[in-house]
Amino acid sequence: DSGVTQTPKHLITATGQRVTLRCSPRSGDLSVYWYQQSLDQGLQFLIQYYNGEERAKGNILERFSAQQFPDLHSELNLSSLELGDSALYFCASSVAGTGLLSAAFFGQGTRLTVV
Amino acid sequence: GENVEQHPSTLSVQEGDSAVIKCTYSDSASNYFPWYKQELGKRPQLIIDIRSNVGEKKDQRIAVTLNKTAKHFSLHITETQPEDSAVYFCAASATTDFQKLVFGTGTRLLVSP
Repeated sequence: DSGVTQTPKHLITATGQRVTLRCSPRSGDLSVYWYQQSLDQGLQFLIQYYNGEERAKGNILERFSAQQFPDLHSELNLSSLELGDSALYFCASSVAGTGLLSAAFFGQGTRLTVV
Repeated sequence: GENVEQHPSTLSVQEGDSAVIKCTYSDSASNYFPWYKQELGKRPQLIIDIRSNVGEKKDQRIAVTLNKTAKHFSLHITETQPEDSAVYFCAASATTDFQKLVFGTGTRLLVSP
């Protein structure tokens, strides 16, 4: 168990709908990252938050948005869903930004299926 | 921004052989290089990491080497076992960039008994 919690584990929804994925980082971690992994693909960086502020943005579609709340949990909102959005969405957290070097630890992911 | 290239994309070895996966990075400011192992349908898990002030690090059958001058780092697995079969990802990050982790494209390792 990495200490990073993602909910839900599975999500099936229809095209055009909106969903929210939730992530609780490890205790003490201030940075949260979101990654998208399509079938048999690599880890595509979407966005990073540090202590409530957006720090880095990757290939995140305009239909997607995220935020990190004062209690440090994060949510990824996906709207106007398309079939191609079906993927595993991972959240990871680390102590990045605190001056310590550390790897990011991943949650178990949310498998999103758009039908 | 940082770009990480990883080779090979697939690697097949016989049980007991060694496996080597190589990555190159572009940003000279990168100072932290973790490696992750991902089994099918599961989360990426950290297996070893190295910092820029170290040239080599070992953990049992796994070792990582770093060449800062050439900007490349490698994962070495000795005495491979079938349970080593998975996708391996390298990554690079820089403290100056809030340690945004940039991943390589992954290497699918298949260890045949």
